[in-house]
Amino acid sequence: EDQVTQSPEALRLQEGESSSLNCSYTVSGLRGLFWYRQDPGKGPEFLFTLYSAGEEKEKERLKATLTKKESFLHITAPKPEDSATYLCAVQAYNTDKLIFGTGTRLQVFP
Amino acid sequence: ETGVTQTPRHLVMGMTNKKSLKCEQHLGHNAMYWYKQSAKKPLELMFVYSLEERVENNSVPSRFSPECPNSSHLFLHLHTLQPEDSALYLCASSQVLDRAGYTFGSGTRLTVV
Repeated sequence: EDQVTQSPEALRLQEGESSSLNCSYTVSGLRGLFWYRQDPGKGPEFLFTLYSAGEEKEKERLKATLTKKESFLHITAPKPEDSATYLCAVQAYNTDKLIFGTGTRLQVFP
Repeated sequence: ETGVTQTPRHLVMGMTNKKSLKCEQHLGHNAMYWYKQSAKKPLELMFVYSLEERVENNSVPSRFSPECPNSSHLFLHLHTLQPEDSALYLCASSQVLDRAGYTFGSGTRLTVV
């Protein structure tokens, strides 16, 4: 069964304290892995798509990486405005549907 | 207005009421989706429409009834809901069916009392 597990469930960081969020997945044929950011009271906002192991994507303080079993979202020198829930989703070749994890709630304190 | 717009933002309804959620996308996308988001649970796909035709109904109870009159509008009609149906209902669209990144609306926070 296709599955996505995100850890940790919640993460508290001091401003400037770099860290990583994990997304572990099992899927029968990965078409793509997606990262979204969700602010309270809003819908998810698309960040990145990764398609193959070894691929990396960057946007400001965020960098996403992909292996055959997991993806990391690295946050370098975070700021309070990076506080949000980060969602990971995978898309399998056989179903095409997005399967979401439960997310990591990130709080960055000044 | 751009992006995906959902109305209302908040809705409180009794179990015997009938209400509708509305979604409108201004992106020229061909596919639209309804998702349910409950606390501590992953997003659950409910319905998928491609070019106004329903292509997926993910074992959703019949008290939820979708409607897609054209490629820009999507509705979710609600009747005789249960308290466990309280959740954030998200609409999303994509240019091509099942090709992400989806663009999500801000959602409708539904409370069933």
